[in-house]
Amino acid sequence: QVQLVESGGGLVKPGGSLRLSCAASGFTFSDYYMSWIRQAPGKGLEWVSYISSSGSYTNYPESVKGRFTISRDNAKNSLFLQMNSLRAEDTAVYYCARRMTSSKVFDYWGQGTLVTVSS
Amino acid sequence: EIVLTQSPGTLSLSPGERATLSCGASQSVSSSYLAWYQQKPGQAPRLLIYGASSRATGIADRFSGSGSGTDFTLTISRLEPEDFAVYYCQQYGSSSWTFGQGTKVEIK
Repeated sequence: QVQLVESGGGLVKPGGSLRLSCAASGFTFSDYYMSWIRQAPGKGLEWVSYISSSGSYTNYPESVKGRFTISRDNAKNSLFLQMNSLRAEDTAVYYCARRMTSSKVFDYWGQGTLVTVSS
Repeated sequence: EIVLTQSPGTLSLSPGERATLSCGASQSVSSSYLAWYQQKPGQAPRLLIYGASSRATGIADRFSGSGSGTDFTLTISRLEPEDFAVYYCQQYGSSSWTFGQGTKVEIK
């Protein structure tokens, strides 16, 4: 069965960096576009990055552009999110999610990893 | 950026009742790219509906989606105890995704 398992979250000071990982299994990872989506405590969902199946195309919303970098290693079935210049408003649970091949929606999500930005 | 506004914010209903949740878009959305998710406390969102009206794999037929343009609806025909949760709509457009703020369906 499809599994996505995030790791790498934790407490970081404002201005610091963190790298999140997502280990994928149960499907052919290299066939799928992937995204990171976050949820601040008690708030709604916000898409934060997107990467094509080959890794050649990425996209970000303005809120994280220039600070976050999404990447993948298809040989290791892994997705990454490098987060730099972190701010208090980046505090959230970060989910990795698989985009359906037939539609631009997310059919599988990991359980999430919590990132807390605080001094 | 397309803004999605969900209403009501909270829906208080009893098991067995019908739930109607709305999602309005600030500009026209392709029905192909409109989805609904369910989220329970401490869990990741789960895809319910994609393409505005297609049920995802394993989703009960009491869940249905409809709408087009700027107005979309998620209907739960008869609420089961496990349906009390928060529901989000989501759209894709102009190379980005946005979500509504959510509707909480709570037990009355």
